[in-house]
Amino acid sequence: EAGVTQSPTHLIKTRGQQVTLRCSPISGHTSVYWYQQALGLGLQFLLWYDEGEERNRGNFPPRFSGRQFPNYSSELNVNALELEDSALYLCASSLGLTKETQYFGPGTRLLVL
Amino acid sequence: DQQVKQNSPSLSVQEGRISILNCDYTNSMFDYFLWYKKYPAEGPTFLISISSIKDKNEDGRFTVFLNKSAKHLSLHIVPSQPGDSAVYFCAAGVLTGGGNKLTFGTGTQLKVEL
Repeated sequence: EAGVTQSPTHLIKTRGQQVTLRCSPISGHTSVYWYQQALGLGLQFLLWYDEGEERNRGNFPPRFSGRQFPNYSSELNVNALELEDSALYLCASSLGLTKETQYFGPGTRLLVL
Repeated sequence: DQQVKQNSPSLSVQEGRISILNCDYTNSMFDYFLWYKKYPAEGPTFLISISSIKDKNEDGRFTVFLNKSAKHLSLHIVPSQPGDSAVYFCAAGVLTGGGNKLTFGTGTQLKVEL
């Protein structure tokens, strides 16, 4: 069974640009989570989507947004990129609203110059 | 405010010996805890979890201990193997009303030496 997949694997952008990261959950999983891991920090919770709706949001500015599609895949959009947005962005999926374990993808490494 | 803390950034253990990774938390609402392992250039891999109604959970070489009064959990790996060398993250969540958000520690780099 395929795990969580993310694209692209690496990305280089400049300040002020916009970026879209993509995630496909494990088949059968309806919940998708986004986390940011900046250098030297633990994983910071960004967003949680389930059944197409945003269910919870971490302490990040509104320029971080996303959506979940009917096939449960998800996009994370970051507008007006800043240097400190350089990080590994991890997507995870789980079975749904209950506290099923979250399974992570390989991540997208974003570098903002 | 770091609600989940892993105070040891690194740990070195000999092959065959026990590895003990520690994690402390401050939020008494946390009632669900997980350990993840992460290799470079890969996403975290789920290892083992424990809910607050238990004080121990075991899965093969991995055992997690939870001390609620001390707000402390630990992961024991016995025996340690070179393939266990990775960064280990503990994570905590709230079973109901927690918004499925996991709060992670900053990780401990485990090195298992031959």
